[in-house]
Amino acid sequence: NAGVTQTPKFQVLKTGQSMTLQCAQDMNHEYMSWYRQDPGMGLRLIHYSVGAGITDQGEVPNGYNVSRSTTEDFPLRLLSAAPSQTSVYFCASSYTGTSGVRDTGELFFGEGSRLTVL
Amino acid sequence: AQSVAQPEDQVNVAEGNPLTVKCTYSVSGNPYLFWYVQYPNRGLQFLLKYITGDNLVKGSYGFEAEFNKSQTSFHLKKPSALVSDSALYFCAVRDTYTGRRALTFGSGTRLQVQP
Repeated sequence: NAGVTQTPKFQVLKTGQSMTLQCAQDMNHEYMSWYRQDPGMGLRLIHYSVGAGITDQGEVPNGYNVSRSTTEDFPLRLLSAAPSQTSVYFCASSYTGTSGVRDTGELFFGEGSRLTVL
Repeated sequence: AQSVAQPEDQVNVAEGNPLTVKCTYSVSGNPYLFWYVQYPNRGLQFLLKYITGDNLVKGSYGFEAEFNKSQTSFHLKKPSALVSDSALYFCAVRDTYTGRRALTFGSGTRLQVQP
């Protein structure tokens, strides 16, 4: 019963490097999203997707790219890492109700990926 | 735009005493409201939610929350705190009027339960 799986759990980058945070869910959720958590700021939405091939921007999308080629996977790409992107990143997913499973509203979260940009 | 306020950065309570963690929200339409808990170095775990119906919602680990539409509040409560309840608590809202599925989170309240 894996749920939402994020890799890697920890990563250190140098300014200007690129990398991809992986997120996979095995619950057949249509909706997937990425948040970043910073002290005193709660969680802020970066990007989200309501299904394969459909993505949209959240509150803080700059410097990040996403794609959704399958229902299960929703990778987050940092194009050119900056120290301001040092954060803990969470992937979260849920049903939307379109596949026949009732939308109960709550998000299911991964364990997080801690990223440090030097 | 939807927003959530958690006015207390930290709440301290003695074990066995009742606890309250405050949350107020702002939405255009009817809200879906949620409480999540985060233990150190872990993801967020769902505690409870209000979608519709009874204003008093019961959730996991003995927690409950009361939806108050006139005060736009959704405070988290527990009659008797445990040391193991010490964690970071987040309130979140989804605005059904906009149709956006994204949850907006408050800044979090750290609950410290002293033995």
